[in-house]
Amino acid sequence: AQSVTQLGSHVSVSEGALVLLRCNYSSSVPPYLFWYVQYPNQGLQLLLKYTSAATLVKGINGFEAEFKKSETSFHLTKPSAHMSDAAEYFCAVSDPGGYNKLIFGAGTRLAVHP
Amino acid sequence: DTAVSQTPKYLVTQMGNDKSIKCEQNLGHDTMYWYKQDSKKFLKIMFSYNNKELIINETVPNRFSPKSPDKAHLNLHINSLELGDSAVYFCASSQGTSGGSNTGELFFGEGSRLTVL
Repeated sequence: AQSVTQLGSHVSVSEGALVLLRCNYSSSVPPYLFWYVQYPNQGLQLLLKYTSAATLVKGINGFEAEFKKSETSFHLTKPSAHMSDAAEYFCAVSDPGGYNKLIFGAGTRLAVHP
Repeated sequence: DTAVSQTPKYLVTQMGNDKSIKCEQNLGHDTMYWYKQDSKKFLKIMFSYNNKELIINETVPNRFSPKSPDKAHLNLHINSLELGDSAVYFCASSQGTSGGSNTGELFFGEGSRLTVL
């Protein structure tokens, strides 16, 4: 069975600082991996996805993530945080060839302070 | 023009009542989903339909009954509502199964917040 673990339910950074949100996955097959963002009272928006092409994936709003098979990780980074980045971030895994059944991590709340 | 739209956005009701949430997507996708997000923000899949056929049915109480009249619509009906049903319910859609040119991305609606009193 696939699963996702997000380390740290809350992360707080200063504006302009590096953002690092951690995600580790478990999958019996090479997975597809995703990061979604949820702003307050809104739905989930895709930030980026890994689908077995390049291991360094660039997404929207300056975010990127690197797939590391040896570490079973897919950490999300952004060089410089902006106040507008404050939101809930979800890492998810799915099984290629399946029915796009996304398994989500528990989420990480990112707070950005001045 | 909203890609995945859900109605109502907010729903407050009493225990024991029956309620429905509707979902429509205009992306031309053939697979739709219902996810439940609890008070701790945890997201769990409930159901998925592909071309009106049920393909994923997680361990959800049979008080929950999805219905897909066509591939652009997936409604969720809940009977005999309980306090524990209070949550945000998200509808999503994707283009078929993953693999090949389809990379498994789900497009989500804005959610329907159900409060059971």
